[in-house]
Amino acid sequence: GAVVSQHPSRVICKSGTSVKIECRSLDFQATTMFWYRQFPKQSLMLMATSNEGSKATYEQGVEKDKFLINHASLTLSTLTVTSAHPEDSSFYICSASYSGSALSYNEQFFGPGTRLTVL
Amino acid sequence: AQKVTQAQTEISVVEKEDVTLDCVYETRDTTYYLFWYKQPPSGELVFLIRRNSFDEQNEISGRYSWNFQKSTSSFNFTITASQVVDSAVYFCALSEPYNTDKLIFGTGTRLQVFP
Repeated sequence: GAVVSQHPSRVICKSGTSVKIECRSLDFQATTMFWYRQFPKQSLMLMATSNEGSKATYEQGVEKDKFLINHASLTLSTLTVTSAHPEDSSFYICSASYSGSALSYNEQFFGPGTRLTVL
Repeated sequence: AQKVTQAQTEISVVEKEDVTLDCVYETRDTTYYLFWYKQPPSGELVFLIRRNSFDEQNEISGRYSWNFQKSTSSFNFTITASQVVDSAVYFCALSEPYNTDKLIFGTGTRLQVFP
């Protein structure tokens, strides 16, 4: 159980185009989804936290107008990189958690990641 | 502020050697969780262990073992008799459950196991 998928797994686009990445919780309802970015040989950096039905909370330094996050349902969150540029090339990973588990901690389940290359 | 430090950037060992990956954390909370994740070349994060701040018992799972010491704020990870398949980047992470469950990752340690 607790499977999270991401689509696409890999995308190459031209500079200036927008790219949408989907994150789905396949067998549970995700009350919260997280988006991370990982540059080559670096750590995962949290970009934003989104709760279903409300606006995402962005981390300091992340442009909310550039990285649009929509968490319209309990199983789907999308990250849209608008007007992508080469410096946005990165590995984007989502995770999902749900409240109400027996644990005091809402465990995050990670997707497989999306590798974005902007030419 | 919370912080996770993995001082070892890269470690290379020969198969069957034991290797310890260090993790030091900082937090002001008394309730927190610590994690280790493995990231193979495919990129997908593999969950290895979660430990809460009230459980200082060491844990062993097959060739993997973890040593949690609150006195030194460390949560070290040892692989015994390493294998080539252990080659990956390993991340230590910290979460504060009363702070939106955000995960703070260390910078990772790249482990290369040579045959």
